[in-house]
Amino acid sequence: DTGVSQNPRHKITKRGQNVTFRCDPISEHNRLYWYRQTLGQGPEFLTYFQNEAQLEKSRLLSDRFSAERPKGSFSTLEIQRTEQGDSAMYLCASSRDRDPYEQYFGPGTRLTVT
Amino acid sequence: AQTVTQSQPEMSVQEAETVTLSCTYDTSESDYYLFWYKQPPSRQMILVIRQEAYKQQNATENRFSVNFQKAAKSFSLKISDSQLGDAAMYFCAYTGNFGNEKLTFGTGTRLTIIP
Repeated sequence: DTGVSQNPRHKITKRGQNVTFRCDPISEHNRLYWYRQTLGQGPEFLTYFQNEAQLEKSRLLSDRFSAERPKGSFSTLEIQRTEQGDSAMYLCASSRDRDPYEQYFGPGTRLTVT
Repeated sequence: AQTVTQSQPEMSVQEAETVTLSCTYDTSESDYYLFWYKQPPSRQMILVIRQEAYKQQNATENRFSVNFQKAAKSFSLKISDSQLGDAAMYFCAYTGNFGNEKLTFGTGTRLTIIP
């Protein structure tokens, strides 16, 4: 396993700009999760994909947020019209059907909105 | 809704000693999984140990063990023979969702190892 990778690792953007993050899961993992972690808190669930299908979205995911997973491989998370409250660490995790309870996390993308 | 509570924001332990981190949770489900994750500074989150609620036996992974009290909804992590590399944020997490194993996390406990 090469592990879950996320790019970029850090992103600084001005309020109102759009940003896109990428997650590459472990190759045979068909389940993919996005979480958001703010300072001093545990990660909070944002959305879940099984293969290319987005099966659940948290109410934390306002309509400024969109996530995709074309062809069931990598995933992107886009935030439009960023706000200062979007500043957080965005974590991606993946798991496989035969052991869905072991989620492997990526290093995260730290977003700072100025 | 399920909640996970970690009431110890920070803990410290002398190297080679034993420390216990506390976690309580609230759920109405009978079947679920509990986890402890470790997040070292500036590094990614790693699964330390997990417990299936239907198993009465407490999980153990080398120096890490849990005390799972289902009736009390308590799930503590014991780290024996603490090492400098154990210094990290530790998160307790829960999932009761089958088909979407999204995790609900506590707020974490920062563990410091004193040499």
